[in-house]
Amino acid sequence: DTEVTQTPKHLVMGMTNKKSLKCEQHMGHRAMYWYKQKAKKPPELMFVYSYEKLSINESVPSRFSPECPNSSLLNLHLHALQPEDSALYLCASSPEDRGGTQYFGPGTRLLVL
Amino acid sequence: QKEVEQNSGPLSVPEGAIASLNCTYSDRVSQSFFWYRQYSGKSPELIMSIYSNGDKEDGRFTAQLNKASQYVSLLIRDSQPSDSATYLCAVNFGGGGADGLTFGKGTHLIIQP
Repeated sequence: DTEVTQTPKHLVMGMTNKKSLKCEQHMGHRAMYWYKQKAKKPPELMFVYSYEKLSINESVPSRFSPECPNSSLLNLHLHALQPEDSALYLCASSPEDRGGTQYFGPGTRLLVL
Repeated sequence: QKEVEQNSGPLSVPEGAIASLNCTYSDRVSQSFFWYRQYSGKSPELIMSIYSNGDKEDGRFTAQLNKASQYVSLLIRDSQPSDSATYLCAVNFGGGGADGLTFGKGTHLIIQP
């Protein structure tokens, strides 16, 4: 089983709202990732968690705040977003923390008004 | 600078023919290489991973890696209309710890019935 789940599937928010994206995997993977994908562009790495610790932050604005409460769960807290933040947000997990294969969830499509 | 280059296409191939997708990358010491398929509006789906020089076959798919030339390719035999999608080449440039993937821009493949 290589399932990564993400909720919600779709999200519309205003620029003053606070919302959270959730990602879950029960495969025992120890690395989890957030990517952002704009239309007709490839996914771009935002954050990496390894063994529940933030190991990579790709210079993401502070209005995006990741959290890893336990080894199965990854959250992305959103606050004061801009319309240009509208995108598909993808979560992935990997069974290894050294170049292991990453499995993607279905994504959350975010629209910021 | 870590870069992954792909021809964005579209690449049009008749049904039943072989589709050949190519990718080059910038860092000679990279260890992990992946091909993902992405249908419009969906998340990336892993097709193949390859770590060593040579060929790796899985059903109708063959990945080829040449580290000396910094080149990785994907062959799809007996192409089907359902293979029409964007194919993303991804490289893990990291040498230690959890690392994200760097994606090429993707090749849009069209299989003509």
